[in-house]
This record gives sequence, C-alpha cells and structure tokens, in this order.
Amino acid sequence: AQTVTQSQPEMSVQEAETVTLSCTYDTSESDYYLFWYKQPPSRQMILVIRQEAYKQQNATENRFSVNFQKAAKSFSLKISDSQLGDAAMYFCAYRGYSGGGADGLTFGKGTHLIIQP
Amino acid sequence: EAQVTQNPRYLITVTGKKLTVTCSQNMNHEYMSWYRQDPGLGLRQIYYSMNVEVTDKGDVPEGYKVSRKEKRNFPLILESPSPNQTSLYFCASSLSGRPYGYTFGSGTRLTVV
Repeated sequence: AQTVTQSQPEMSVQEAETVTLSCTYDTSESDYYLFWYKQPPSRQMILVIRQEAYKQQNATENRFSVNFQKAAKSFSLKISDSQLGDAAMYFCAYRGYSGGGADGLTFGKGTHLIIQP
Repeated sequence: EAQVTQNPRYLITVTGKKLTVTCSQNMNHEYMSWYRQDPGLGLRQIYYSMNVEVTDKGDVPEGYKVSRKEKRNFPLILESPSPNQTSLYFCASSLSGRPYGYTFGSGTRLTVV
C-alpha cells in the first residue's frame, strides 16, 4: 500500500516570504500522480497543483511550484510571496494509475500553514 | 456550475439511528468516493465507485454502506452510527482513465452522541 508522509504538522512564515512544505511518499508503482490540496477554514478542499510522475518538469501554478524528486520519492510545495489568504491546512496526496481506471487518493496527515502579517 | 453537492452540511444524531448523507455530481464523472477526515489523521477513503453498480471498499469501510444506482449519485449510509463515526465527511468525484484531481463536496460534519 502507498503511504504519504508530511513531517511538518505546522509551519509559520512571514507575509511576502517563501515557504516550502515537505512531502514524501512510498510506492512500488511507476505510473502515478501527486497533488497538493489546500483546506482553508471554510473546510473546502481546493486543488493547488498536480504533478504527473512521468513528467520530469516540475509543475508550476502562479506562486505555487513543486520540487518533484522521483528517485527520492519527494514532492515538496513551494509558496512564493506568501499571502494571508494562503493560511490553511495543506495536504499532499498520491493517486496511482493501475491501467483501466484510477486508484483512490492517499493523503498525508497535513501541514497547518500560518501566515504572520 | 460544475460541482459536487453534499447534504446535509451538519448533522447531529444519536447512536444507532440510521442516516444517509447524500452526494450528487453534475460533471458526468465515472469515479466517486467518500472520505472521512479526522484531526491528525488526514483524509481516509471509506468507499469508492468506478461506475454505476461498481463499488469497492477503501481503507476504513467498517460501519458504512454505499450504493451507486445512478451515475450522478453516491449516497453514504450509516446503518447504526456510533460515536467513533463522528467526523468530517467528504464526497469527491473525478473522471476515470488518467487520474485527475478530485472535485470535492463541501463536507458534512457528523456528530454521533
């Protein structure tokens, strides 16, 4: 079974600075996808960014980027120019692709990100 | 608007009283799933469905039932709720084939007393 580990229960960053959230995963599959989800106090789950394992290029979405190290099974999220609205729980998630369909998402336990004004 | 609709958003019930949490999506997604979220544990999959009449257990299925009679609906049934099922529940859907990110519902906060 796949596992996803987020080793930082809580992180704090000053507004406008950069922060990196860590995520490692364990899998024996070669074809899979990785995601970062944001959960603000409204509790809505919002997709932040997605990375396909077969792509070497790191995904980027505006101020959000990832550092995907496939051999190390590492998938960190970098948030540049942090804003107060970035304060939330962030979940790293893994989804395999076992041909003909897709497996469910396996989530890490989350990192609570605090933005200091 | 493309969305996953869950109802109710909040529910307080008593031990043993059967309840159903509804989930409906309007995106013609084949894949639907239920998760529960507990502090310090992240989200864990309860059941999922690859398509109509096709369902399977996730990581924490005990005490739950699901059905998929129509493509758009995927209700979660608690036949005899217990306090350890107090949690935040999410329904989610996605296209099948190449994995896409899920679209999540707004969540149902369930309290069993």
